[in-house]
Amino acid sequence: NAGVTQTPKFQVLKTGQSMTLQCAQDMNHNSMYWYRQDPGMGLRLIYYSASEGTTDKGEVPNGYNVSRLNKREFSLRLESAAPSQTSVYFCASWGIPSYEQYFGPGTRLTVT
Amino acid sequence: QKEVEQNSGPLSVPEGAIASLNCTYSDRGSQSFFWYRQYSGKSPELIMFIYSNGDKEDGRFTAQLNKASQYVSLLIRDSQPSDSATYLCAVNRGTSYGKLTFGQGTILTVHP
Repeated sequence: NAGVTQTPKFQVLKTGQSMTLQCAQDMNHNSMYWYRQDPGMGLRLIYYSASEGTTDKGEVPNGYNVSRLNKREFSLRLESAAPSQTSVYFCASWGIPSYEQYFGPGTRLTVT
Repeated sequence: QKEVEQNSGPLSVPEGAIASLNCTYSDRGSQSFFWYRQYSGKSPELIMFIYSNGDKEDGRFTAQLNKASQYVSLLIRDSQPSDSATYLCAVNRGTSYGKLTFGQGTILTVHP
């Protein structure tokens, strides 16, 4: 039981490049989330998927797209990376009967 | 006004003292409240949650909720250097899919 896994752990991109961050959970959770964390800003929600087949924007969706591939997997895509997207990205999942969101280990992304 | 506000600190307390972390929220419809701990370079992990007015104790940790004042706090008794971390307050506004809004976090340092 690995919980929530994310790949890659680290990534350096040049401005304008694209990439996809992968997230998978093995807890049979319905809901999944993508956050970014910047110094002093806490966790800000980018996109979420309340259940398989649905996705919705969070607080800071501009510059990102998501895909809920199946119940286990939820990916985050940066189509044209910008330095402002330099951040640590966390994926999380939630499902009954748990009350908590479980977080993956994070992806540290630098855009130069 | 931010939906969830915390004093970013840093809060510095001596070993053995009580650390008091505070959080206010703006949405009166908020139903459940979470405290996460995040060590530097790691992902957040749940300490405890509370949804009824009053106190909830778990070992050295006590969460306090006052819905009339829209205020939730976390007390850490007998603080240890290993408690040094960022503490994130999060609020669930009653969604059925676990969506949380996070504060910016309070940095706690416990010095020997």
